[in-house]
Amino acid sequence: EVQLLESGGGLVQPGGSLRLSCAASGFTFSTYGMSWVRQAPGKGLEWVSSISGSGGSTYYADSVKGRFTISRDNSKNTLYLQMNSLRAEDTAVYYCVRLTGTIECWGQGILVTVSS
Amino acid sequence: EIVMTQSPATLSVSPGERATLSCRASQSVGSNVAWYQQKFGQAPRLLMYGASTRATGFPARFSGSGSGTEFTLTISSLQSEDFAVYYCQQYNNWPLFTFGPGTKVDIK
Repeated sequence: EVQLLESGGGLVQPGGSLRLSCAASGFTFSTYGMSWVRQAPGKGLEWVSSISGSGGSTYYADSVKGRFTISRDNSKNTLYLQMNSLRAEDTAVYYCVRLTGTIECWGQGILVTVSS
Repeated sequence: EIVMTQSPATLSVSPGERATLSCRASQSVGSNVAWYQQKFGQAPRLLMYGASTRATGFPARFSGSGSGTEFTLTISSLQSEDFAVYYCQQYNNWPLFTFGPGTKVDIK
């Protein structure tokens, strides 16, 4: 069974940093592109970032470019999102997702709250 | 950036009735559109891809159509478990995605 389990969320002050992790299991992790998608409270879905299976290619939404870094460790079957210079508008549930042509598998999500 | 719009924002439907949800892309995305169903407090779930192919686990009362810039999701006879928010998404410039703002289907 495919499982994606996010961790590392919580409360952080504006300007602070946080690193999210996503532990993957049930599939050959290195053969899939992965992404992070977020959802602000009561709002819709926003794509944040994607990474190729090898980790050699990365992509970012304009709203996070220069502040967030996506990476992966295929030996640990783990996806990461390093979030720096956090803003109130980054407050959201962050989902780790597996890609095929589109998003076929979602984690349960982890809440990040940016507030003083 | 490809912008996705959805209408209506909210659709009030009685159980057993038909629901028609619309999605429009700001430029052609071919058939590279997916639909997701999200129930309260849950992660979204892939419902449709390639504009018209149902994902695993969804019954035949769900159907999708369209290509280019205009897409439709139809639920032929709404059941209680279908009341949720539905998002369309383009993946034409994979792996960069954009989502529509969602249509909430609630009980009339």
